[in-house]
Amino acid sequence: SQQGEEDPQALSIQEGENATMNCSYKTSINNLQWYRQNSGRGLVHLILIRSNEREKHSGRLRVTLDTSKKSSSLLITASRAADTASYFCATTDSWGKLQFGAGTQVVVTP
Amino acid sequence: DTEVTQTPKHLVMGMTNKKSLKCEQHMGHRAMYWYKQKAKKPPELMFVYSYEKLSINESVPSRFSPECPNSSLLNLHLHALQPEDSALYLCASSQAGGQGLTDTQYFGPGTRLTVL
Repeated sequence: SQQGEEDPQALSIQEGENATMNCSYKTSINNLQWYRQNSGRGLVHLILIRSNEREKHSGRLRVTLDTSKKSSSLLITASRAADTASYFCATTDSWGKLQFGAGTQVVVTP
Repeated sequence: DTEVTQTPKHLVMGMTNKKSLKCEQHMGHRAMYWYKQKAKKPPELMFVYSYEKLSINESVPSRFSPECPNSSLLNLHLHALQPEDSALYLCASSQAGGQGLTDTQYFGPGTRLTVL
């Protein structure tokens, strides 16, 4: 079953612009992760934020987590054409099961 | 080595065939996973192996049979599949698995399966 809902479903931006996508989830979590998937390929782990953290940075990525609103956001700054991909949030329950959101498809045009 | 490998990359099979998907990791991870992903959809968990024992089966039909011969290998045996089983099958591994243990999962590139 799908745990997270992502918004927007698709995002089209130009190189150099920032891209922001949001994820909402339904149940309590231990952590929330963001993954990237290039077309038809495997998923690449981007960042993990634990339930007791509010913000985390990794390079051009910034993730926030608001457990009171059960939501997270991923910001990609200064986007590049290589950032074109689908981005998924995923929550991990206490059993270690990873449940993915529907994903946001990002297209970055030169 | 932070790589999860999967073979084959592509597989076309008939509904009466028997085939196997293979997954391998050498990161010392003790949890391994199979996911199924349909086009434009998120991955859906199928099976979890923790310390070489099947710990989660997400009500997957018996025509999919997982096997974990050792801590580095994970197989998915396929038999009498249906056309609707065509999908990208992803393998993943993590350092540990099971209740209370939550770790980053590392994914392989997937096997693109087509059932005719």
